Amino acid sequence: ETGVTQTPRHLVMGMTNKKSLKCEQHLGHNAMYWYKQSAKKPLELMFVYNFKEQTENNSVPSRFSPECPNSSHLFLHLHTLQPEDSALYLCASSQEWGGGTDTQYFGPGTRLTVL
Amino acid sequence: GQNIDQPTEMTATEGAIVQINCTYQTSGFNGLFWYQQHAGEAPTFLSYNVLDGLEEKGRFSSFLSRSKGYSYLLLKELQMKDSASYLCAGHDSNYQLIWGAGTKLIIKP
Repeated sequence: ETGVTQTPRHLVMGMTNKKSLKCEQHLGHNAMYWYKQSAKKPLELMFVYNFKEQTENNSVPSRFSPECPNSSHLFLHLHTLQPEDSALYLCASSQEWGGGTDTQYFGPGTRLTVL
Repeated sequence: GQNIDQPTEMTATEGAIVQINCTYQTSGFNGLFWYQQHAGEAPTFLSYNVLDGLEEKGRFSSFLSRSKGYSYLLLKELQMKDSASYLCAGHDSNYQLIWGAGTKLIIKP
């Protein structure tokens, strides 16, 4: 495996379900990110972890709960979601949060549909 | 507030040249990125500019003018595989990336 991988690639869930998204990076990076991408809207940064510590939480509703057990793995736990949460959820990694030329590398995303 | 503006959609012809513009307003500035995203795929890094001027990478070039808050991505010798969305993003003073909504580029034969 190379780069950033995400599973599952597609997920359909009801509003009462609980599910988790998984991200893994094989780049030796220290920072990992969750983004939400909705059609024709800019990428929305949700969470940032730097050296396993959460450094950013951009006013994300508590129905989204991140977990970063180590620098290579990132999870997004989902519960009691709303239909408006349907979107593409992208994971990214970079060498270190706050670096000047720090380039983020993205996974292919999880297409989430909430019924 | 912070904002990145870029056209929603552009159309160009195979073999031609296209320029995708991006204007930005950020709290402080620490560089500008361009990413390419094919439908259903991950955004992939194309270029990074922090100083004024033109950076060339093969068929793709990126330009930055910090005084004007302006950048463009220039694609030469267009190929059908260049059909994608192109995302502009600026690093603010806190090194948070501020993203544009993306420009969908359609290449016609």
